Amino acid sequence: QKEVEQDPGPLSVPEGAIVSLNCTYSNSAFQYFMWYRQYSRKGPELLMYTYSSGNKEDGRFTAQVDKSSKYISLFIRDSQPSDSATYLCAMSFHASGGSYIPTFGRGTSLIVHP
Amino acid sequence: EAGVVQSPRYKIIEKKQPVAFWCNPISGHNTLYWYLQNLGQGPELLIRYENEEAVDDSQLPKDRFSAERLKGVDSTLKIQPAELGDSAVYLCASSLDGLAGAPGDTQYFGPGTRLTVL
Repeated sequence: QKEVEQDPGPLSVPEGAIVSLNCTYSNSAFQYFMWYRQYSRKGPELLMYTYSSGNKEDGRFTAQVDKSSKYISLFIRDSQPSDSATYLCAMSFHASGGSYIPTFGRGTSLIVHP
Repeated sequence: EAGVVQSPRYKIIEKKQPVAFWCNPISGHNTLYWYLQNLGQGPELLIRYENEEAVDDSQLPKDRFSAERLKGVDSTLKIQPAELGDSAVYLCASSLDGLAGAPGDTQYFGPGTRLTVL
């Protein structure tokens, strides 16, 4: 079993829909949680960062963390065709030696059709 | 401001041939990362540099992979000899302080080099 599990999709939704993307994890040491967006033929870019249980909102995006269930979510409101991309969750902890290298999920492919 | 630059963008080689990838990080970023991304998977760290020093290379297959970051700026990742299973996207990333998964430091990725080994 991988440390971070993420459904690869694809998830296809109509424009304007609310999208829910999720990851589960097994390592209770994870403290920091990130969502990256990766367009085709591009590198990932950081969308959201959070480190506590609860919700964090940024425009149309809301990141939710439930540490007791080891479950994180990303919600996208009023989805647009430009949101079509692969969404990668990532998480990290303060390892010995001082590093915080993220462990990535495999990504969920999202398609928003007009 | 220019982002992380990688070249070449695409490379096709025969197995057993050598190949090299180049990365130029964002100016002023001390930490440079090389990741491997297989199709349908998330990035996996190969090596991390703090300035010129490789501080985390436990996932780098040292029998065939090597990397260097001379003068603490540009970096080169080399595979010799390449195997069929090395076909993947090789991503370079940089961050200011080397705390890419911690509060206050963001990791910026380049577009990657897509390697195909025939």
